[in-house]
Amino acid sequence: TQLLEQSPQFLSIQEGENLTVYCNSSSVFSSLQWYRQEPGEGPVLLVTVVTGGEVKKLKRLTFQFGDARKDSSLHITAAQPGDTGLYLCAGEGGSGGSNYKLTFGKGTLLTVNP
Amino acid sequence: KAGVTQTPRYLIKTRGQQVTLSCSPISGHRSVSWYQQTPGQGLQFLFEYFSETQRNKGNFPGRFSGRQFSNSRSEMNVSTLELGDSALYLCASSFFSRTVTEQYFGPGTRLTVT
Repeated sequence: TQLLEQSPQFLSIQEGENLTVYCNSSSVFSSLQWYRQEPGEGPVLLVTVVTGGEVKKLKRLTFQFGDARKDSSLHITAAQPGDTGLYLCAGEGGSGGSNYKLTFGKGTLLTVNP
Repeated sequence: KAGVTQTPRYLIKTRGQQVTLSCSPISGHRSVSWYQQTPGQGLQFLFEYFSETQRNKGNFPGRFSGRQFSNSRSEMNVSTLELGDSALYLCASSFFSRTVTEQYFGPGTRLTVT
């Protein structure tokens, strides 16, 4: 069974601070995705990373996929209250490629205070 | 394109009853996945349907079942409801590229069992 562990579980920071959240596994994934979920809504896809060592930037968000494709990080620069939400990572497949099924971590609940 | 729609958004049922939830995927998407989300367990995979066939299944009891119609719309049924079935039920439709499955979620159905 593939498991994804996210840390920290909870994070409360002030507006303007930087932060990094982590997604770790002992398993290899063919791809890894990050989602953000707001209360009462479904998760929204932010980014997909596929290649080991890949770095993607989305405005103030920077996503990195580990070289061995077992872990990922999300870094937010100058956090804003609008960044508040539950950040979920999800891994797909393994070294053999896609299996059309995502395994989700339990998420990091981020609160950015004004 | 319209997003994923789920009906109803909220539902209150009594123990022992059964419930049917509906999901309409993004136009052109042929895969629909269902997840149960609770504060303690996070997002747990129920099952995935592709072209009317169940392709993947999670570790849930047989009380949880689903089906997909020829227009890709999907329904999920839970029989003999238990208090522990109270959760947010999320449906996602999937886009497949060569190596990646990207899922787009609906807003969810909040089920409360009393």
